[in-house]
Amino acid sequence: DTEVTQTPKHLVMGMTNKKSLKCEQHMGHRAMYWYKQKAKKPPELMFVYSYEKLSINESVPSRFSPECPNSSLLNLHLHALQPEDSALYLCASSRETSGGGEQFFGPGTRLTVL
Amino acid sequence: AQSVTQLDSQVPVFEEAPVELRCNYSSSVSVYLFWYVQYPNQGLQLLLKYLSGSTLVKGINGFEAEFNKSQTSFHLRKPSVHISDTAEYFCAVSAIGTGFQKLVFGTGTRLLVSP
Repeated sequence: DTEVTQTPKHLVMGMTNKKSLKCEQHMGHRAMYWYKQKAKKPPELMFVYSYEKLSINESVPSRFSPECPNSSLLNLHLHALQPEDSALYLCASSRETSGGGEQFFGPGTRLTVL
Repeated sequence: AQSVTQLDSQVPVFEEAPVELRCNYSSSVSVYLFWYVQYPNQGLQLLLKYLSGSTLVKGINGFEAEFNKSQTSFHLRKPSVHISDTAEYFCAVSAIGTGFQKLVFGTGTRLLVSP
């Protein structure tokens, strides 16, 4: 299994809602990532988990809260988002975080904040 | 720190014609190099990567790229494109070293293949 899966594919939420994005991989990777991608732009790194511990937070607002319940799962909890948070949210994984190397991306969740 | 430049934001080409998408990078340390493709409304898929060894790298879907250290370039080529190659292409680098090494992306090149 060389896939990273993400649910849901699409999500529409109001500014007062609480929702969660989910990501799963079964490649035995110990590093997982959340990226945000606006239209016609490259992905921007948000968070990095290494061995289920948060190792990098790229100064992301607290209305985004990541969680890594186990080595295969990564969640992104959303609360009180703003319309400018509408974007494609991509999850990725890699064998490790150190030394660079290939990241495998999921198909993304298209988020719209009304 | 690393940076990646993709000078062409859009490259229009006719079906069955050859194409080259340009990528230049800047880094004070050695890097790994990647090309990712993103089809509409999808995530990123790795086309090919250069880690070490032969500077000519072959990837999926008939794409290849050549690493040129002296020119700090990693241009992507395909001898004959198909309509289905229409997508956004991102060049990316990550430094070789210990600790977390961020994947740094270029701004992307949109390949538009027309009949």
